[in-house]
Amino acid sequence: NAGVTQTPKFRILKIGQSMTLQCTQDMNHNYMYWYRQDPGMGLKLIYYSVGAGITDKGEVPNGYNVSRSTTEDFPLRLELAAPSQTSVYFCASSLYSRGNTGELFFGEGSRLTVL
Amino acid sequence: DAKTTQPTSMDCAEGRAANLPCNHSTISGNEYVYWYRQIHSQGPQYIIHGLKNNETNEMASLIITEDRKSSTLILPHATLRDTAVYYCIVTGSNYQLIWGAGTKLIIKP
Repeated sequence: NAGVTQTPKFRILKIGQSMTLQCTQDMNHNYMYWYRQDPGMGLKLIYYSVGAGITDKGEVPNGYNVSRSTTEDFPLRLELAAPSQTSVYFCASSLYSRGNTGELFFGEGSRLTVL
Repeated sequence: DAKTTQPTSMDCAEGRAANLPCNHSTISGNEYVYWYRQIHSQGPQYIIHGLKNNETNEMASLIITEDRKSSTLILPHATLRDTAVYYCIVTGSNYQLIWGAGTKLIIKP
């Protein structure tokens, strides 16, 4: 099992550009998440999905969009990149059962800089 | 989800037990306590979780007080590789996990 795979690992964007961060998991997990982490801070939830075709906003969704067409994939779209979106982005997945989110498995992160 | 309070940083000597405290005084009956750690800038790694009873696995032990308002993560024999930021999170059916800044644990030789 590869676990959770994120691409790209690094990216530099110009202000106003758009891009998609890819996330794939091969554990057949129903829940998937996108977090961002600014220096010295904890993780903040951007969007999450409880299954294919179902997504919802987290704490900091502005400037981002997601889709979940399959169980495996959960891409994060940045529209009109701004310097405030410079951050490290983590994708995670978990197997939700019996009222518990379960252990979250994280990808290695995608480091995005907007100049 | 309930909020958690952790010390900003802690030191521990290599080979000794590292005890990391966490307060979660507003925890509700169906909420679990999870611990994760983040080494350098890698993705967080799951350590252990519990509901009411104390738990132990190959990495650590989790001690939850009887009133469930606080818990302690114990790394029995800390090594230099245990230097990391440790996050205590309380979560239940609400999947919007709230991550604080965690405790930066430094293991000293």
